[in-house]
Amino acid sequence: SYVLTQPPSVSVAPGQTARISCWGDNLGRNVVHWYQQKPGQAPVLVVNDDSDRPSGIPERFSGSNSGNTATLTISRVEVGDEADYSCQVWDSNRPVFGGGTKLTVL
Amino acid sequence: QITLKESGPTLMKPTQTLTLTCTFSGFSLTTGGVGVGWIRRPPGKALEWLALIYWNDDKHYSPFLKSRLSITKYTSKNQVVLTLTNMDPVDTATYYCAHKMDYVGWFGPWGQGTLVTVSS
Repeated sequence: SYVLTQPPSVSVAPGQTARISCWGDNLGRNVVHWYQQKPGQAPVLVVNDDSDRPSGIPERFSGSNSGNTATLTISRVEVGDEADYSCQVWDSNRPVFGGGTKLTVL
Repeated sequence: QITLKESGPTLMKPTQTLTLTCTFSGFSLTTGGVGVGWIRRPPGKALEWLALIYWNDDKHYSPFLKSRLSITKYTSKNQVVLTLTNMDPVDTATYYCAHKMDYVGWFGPWGQGTLVTVSS
């Protein structure tokens, strides 16, 4: 089955740029979606279809996907961005999620 | 505004059958293209998709759990029910339901989730 691999954790200082990766075989041929989940809260879609931003999501959130890697980029990171971020694709007619990356804002 | 809320038992014993209800508002499962999915997250682990049902009663299940899962919609009540048989401690997780349209690949919005613990 298709596997999406994410680094367990990423740390960044406030105001800096965070980049969270998602690796998969030929991932660039797939469409990637990203979710943010804060402790005790439901996941929230922050990027869909590789690089689209849903209504209400700050422009600081952006995405890209090429080759074997998709990247969620968060510019001018804020303390409130601290959360778990998961990527998601469809494979063999089923959704597949990455393991999640804990973003820590130092 | 679309909202979803999960309800069901919080503590279960091994071998029991879990029944979870997703009660939603802001959309109808009689509308073409609309679906509701179930996803869970074990503590410290990744999100895992379980099942999905669409407005036309088209149903999809995780191949890894298909033999234990059932999803049903009750359109007049605005509810979707998930059952998972033969519960095991490894099924301990927060269970979420989420809205989905058939022409997109993403889920959203999601319910707040409900934690189900399996322990003898």
